[in-house]
Amino acid sequence: NAGVTQTPKFQVLKTGQSMTLQCAQDMNHEYMSWYRQDPGMGLRLIHYSVGAGITDQGEVPNGYNVSRSTTEDFPLRLLSAAPSQTSVYFCASSYRAGIYNEQFFGPGTRLTVL
Amino acid sequence: GENVEQHPSTLSVQEGDSAVIKCTYSDSASNYFPWYKQELGKGPQLIIDIRSNVGEKKDQRIAVTLNKTAKHFSLHITETQPEDSAVYFCAARRGNNDMRFGAGTRLTVKP
Repeated sequence: NAGVTQTPKFQVLKTGQSMTLQCAQDMNHEYMSWYRQDPGMGLRLIHYSVGAGITDQGEVPNGYNVSRSTTEDFPLRLLSAAPSQTSVYFCASSYRAGIYNEQFFGPGTRLTVL
Repeated sequence: GENVEQHPSTLSVQEGDSAVIKCTYSDSASNYFPWYKQELGKGPQLIIDIRSNVGEKKDQRIAVTLNKTAKHFSLHITETQPEDSAVYFCAARRGNNDMRFGAGTRLTVKP
């Protein structure tokens, strides 16, 4: 199993541009989520999905959209990038939603918005 | 919402010494406390966790303690090795989708 994969690894955008961060998992996990990691702060939840066709907002959802058309994929869309969205983005998955279920993280995407 | 504070932000120890990282949380409803290790260029990886009905858990050189009354929990690494060098995150979870992370501790183990 490849686990959780993310593309691209690095990305530079100009303010106002849009892009999609890709996330895929091959473990047949129901639950997937997106976090952002900023210096001096812990990871913060952006959006999550408990299964195909179901998504919901996390702690910091503004400026981001998600969809979950398949179990495997959970893309994160930035509609109009802003410098405040410069961050490292991590996708994670777990077997199912549940407080004790281990989350497996991808390697991250480092995004810079100029 | 939940607030998790983690100390220290950086920690340097000599190989073979012990390392302790402490976290406090604010929401008494939190009942799951995982610890993650993040190596350079990689995503966080779960190394140990503890549930609220347990006071201590140990896995080889790693142990976690939880004091629910005081709302704090700690990670203990004994006999540290250079490969333990990484950033460590604590977290507190009160529901399926509500996990809050500490700001992280950069641990350096000097050979």
